[in-house]
Parts: sequence; C-alpha cells; structure tokens
Amino acid sequence: SQKIEQNSEALNIQEGKTATLTCNYTNYSPAYLQWYRQDPGRGPVFLLLIRENEKEKRKERLKVTFDTTLKQSLFHITASQPADSATYLCAHLPGSARQLTFGSGTQLTVLP
Amino acid sequence: DAGITQSPRHKVTETGTPVTLRCHQTENHRYMYWYRQDPGHGLRLIHYSYGVKDTDKGEVSDGYSVSRSKTEDFLLTLESATSSQTSVYFCAIQGEGNNQPQHFGDGTRLSIL
Repeated sequence: SQKIEQNSEALNIQEGKTATLTCNYTNYSPAYLQWYRQDPGRGPVFLLLIRENEKEKRKERLKVTFDTTLKQSLFHITASQPADSATYLCAHLPGSARQLTFGSGTQLTVLP
Repeated sequence: DAGITQSPRHKVTETGTPVTLRCHQTENHRYMYWYRQDPGHGLRLIHYSYGVKDTDKGEVSDGYSVSRSKTEDFLLTLESATSSQTSVYFCAIQGEGNNQPQHFGDGTRLSIL
C-alpha cells in the first residue's frame, strides 16, 4: 500500500531563512498532495494542494513542488518567522478515492 | 473557519466503559471523517461517512463504530474502551470534489485508564 514518509526529526532554523520540508511517497504517484499545518492542541489546517501534473504551487511565502521522478514533494517557507513554528503534515489522495493518507509530520521551530 | 465542533474536548474513563464522541458541523457537507492521532503514527482514518446512514471503515476501525442519523452529526463510539484507544481523536469534514481539503475540529483528548 502507499506510504507517505516525512522526516520525523524536528527541524530548527533561524528566522528569515527558508525552511524546506520533505514528503516522500513509496509507490504510485498520487493524483494530489496536500499540505497541512498543525499547532499544539489544534486540528490540522489546510495550506496548499498540488496536482500530479503541476511542478510547483505558490501561496504568499509558501511554495510546494512535486517531483514524480523522485517521488517527492518539497514544502518551502521563505523568510520564515517564529509564528511559522508548527508541525507540518503532508497527505496524499489517490484520484479515485477520498481517503487521505497522512505522513507523521515534521515539527518546525523558527528561532528568533 | 469551517463550522465544526467536537465534544467533549477532554475525557478520562476506565477500561471496559462505553464512550461516545460527537462531531457537529454547520457546513452541510456530505463527507465526514474520524481520525486518531498518536505519536509516531500521524493521523489514521477510523471511519468515514458519505451521507446520512452511509458509512465505511478506514485503516484502524477495529473496536470502533459510527453512526450518522443527521447530516450535521457524526458519532464515534467505543463500545468497550481499552487502554490502546487512548489517543487524540479528530473529526474532519470535506466538501464535494475529490481535491477539496479537509477541515478539522480541534480534537478530543481521550484517556482510558
């Protein structure tokens, strides 16, 4: 079955730098990949969706890429701020189903 | 924010007791989901619903049942709670269209002693 793998190690970066988070999938290329943000004690909040045939998607300081050759999606936060500190989850959705499969998330801390 | 609320937010109970968690939405969405979240496992789907009285199992459905008698309410029941069901439970809703994002409630932290 499809597995979604995120770097389980926490990522610490300095304010103002670009944070890059990785999401790898193991088998077939998902039709869509979604990225969510989760703060402690809260539910995940949707950030961005990228389709299989899109190479890159942007929203303000966020950028997501999708490389079907590497079976990988990268999530970038440019000019990072301490308020960006959270856990970021990627999730894949096969085109024919509605059941999202989530990675375990990467905890990002932006240091002032 | 999407209108979705979970109750209770916290619950402590004993092994063997029945527990029901409630998810209520005001968005009139057809699709609703129950997940559990545990350290190292991420979010795992328990059950989902695609309409009133229409439900199906997810990845980790053993020991759980659900009911949906109204569009706005989706109930998750642990018939006889076990310590392995200690977790944080999230409900999510989703609009029509396969690529629609899911909107989550703020979770129920359930401890079974």
